Amino acid sequence: GESVGLHLPTLSVQEGDNSIINCAYSNSASDYFIWYKQESGKGPQFIIDIRSNMDKRQGQRVTVLLNKTVKHLSLQIAATQPGDSAVYFCAEGVSGTYKYIFGTGTRLKVLA
Amino acid sequence: EAGVAQSPRYKIIEKRQSVAFWCNPISGHATLYWYQQILGQGPKLLIQFQNNGVVDDSQLPKDRFSAERLKGVDSTLKIQPAKLEDSAVYLCASSVGHSSEKLFFGSGTQLSVL
Repeated sequence: GESVGLHLPTLSVQEGDNSIINCAYSNSASDYFIWYKQESGKGPQFIIDIRSNMDKRQGQRVTVLLNKTVKHLSLQIAATQPGDSAVYFCAEGVSGTYKYIFGTGTRLKVLA
Repeated sequence: EAGVAQSPRYKIIEKRQSVAFWCNPISGHATLYWYQQILGQGPKLLIQFQNNGVVDDSQLPKDRFSAERLKGVDSTLKIQPAKLEDSAVYLCASSVGHSSEKLFFGSGTQLSVL
């Protein structure tokens, strides 16, 4: 059954479309940002990270964009698949402290 | 490589009872974290260990929560006495610490306090 995300913002996308999940962070001193994926009944799983000296970083089917001016982070998933359905969290931290603050999360639903 | 192990997977207790959770991090990981995840929210850090020392426990409700990491490996988190608002998933995570900031999470313990 569901263990997270019953009242989270939800993004519904058609299979094969691109998804964009947004996140606003709070601490101007944060210089390290991470996106996690959490499937029902599981712990968060690392997707991609970015440091503040970069604006964009690409992984396999995923891209993270960082806008430090407005303290905004986004995760783009290309060609969204049913297996991408999950809750996505951004987390912010200050390098070297190894302490991270998680956002509230967004549920991604992939429609067949 | 084995992941972060947590037990039990589920626990149901009545308020005012005590409960303990166990975590075995990935071998060699110096940093260990306990997070509380209330339904519909992101994980919130409770306590962070570096080896067997506490780095940050500022958000741990110390009147009822305690945690230890003896010998710098396994860790236990205890709640005594439990309150209804403690119902949540308790996640353990570990990281190498000094050379990598990537966290690896266990599947968590889902606690229900009735």
